[in-house]
Amino acid sequence: DTAVSQTPKYLVTQMGNDKSIKCEQNLGHDTMYWYKQDSKKFLKIMFSYNNKELIINETVPNRFSPKSPDKAHLNLHINSLELGDSAVYFCASSPYRPTGGNTIYFGEGSWLTVV
Amino acid sequence: KNEVEQSPQNLTAQEGEFITINCSYSVGISALHWLQQHPGGGIVSLFMLSSGKKKHGRLIATINIQEKHSSLHITASHPRDSAVYICAGFMDSNYQLIWGAGTKLIIKP
Repeated sequence: DTAVSQTPKYLVTQMGNDKSIKCEQNLGHDTMYWYKQDSKKFLKIMFSYNNKELIINETVPNRFSPKSPDKAHLNLHINSLELGDSAVYFCASSPYRPTGGNTIYFGEGSWLTVV
Repeated sequence: KNEVEQSPQNLTAQEGEFITINCSYSVGISALHWLQQHPGGGIVSLFMLSSGKKKHGRLIATINIQEKHSSLHITASHPRDSAVYICAGFMDSNYQLIWGAGTKLIIKP
């Protein structure tokens, strides 16, 4: 069974569109994350939720909005997509609050291409 | 500056060889993750270390906190171990994962 699953894996869309990426974890973890992988392959934190509560909200455009209907799901909605939004987005989860570097489990990534 | 330096960038070895990948990191990093990324991009977390040594199957990870250095070892390497191995430093201050450049490992039969 996939521990952290995100859909879609590939998404090609036009500028200006609104799209969502979904993430689900079946590990019973309390904390979920969205990371963006940049051109240098660094994973930059975007958001983190703990038990449906937003605890990290890095400086990302307001066009990005996370939604956590329950602690097993953290979806990422992007409005008015821009070319610069093209990247790989990784969902992840970990057992506890993000302190001490608890083991993080990653999804397989969602490749977003904006044309 | 928060950095994670990893070496070597590329490593080709014969099946059965003992593999070592090294990682050095800067101040501010509280834990070190070793991750594996296969072609197609999926990321698997292998280990998280903040001290000592961990072992899982043929994989062993060690960390020296004083020297800010970590190593990933693979014993009895196999072609299915071929992948990119990445060390990433986790920063408690802002929850960023600072990635090393990755080591592309190829194990030949």
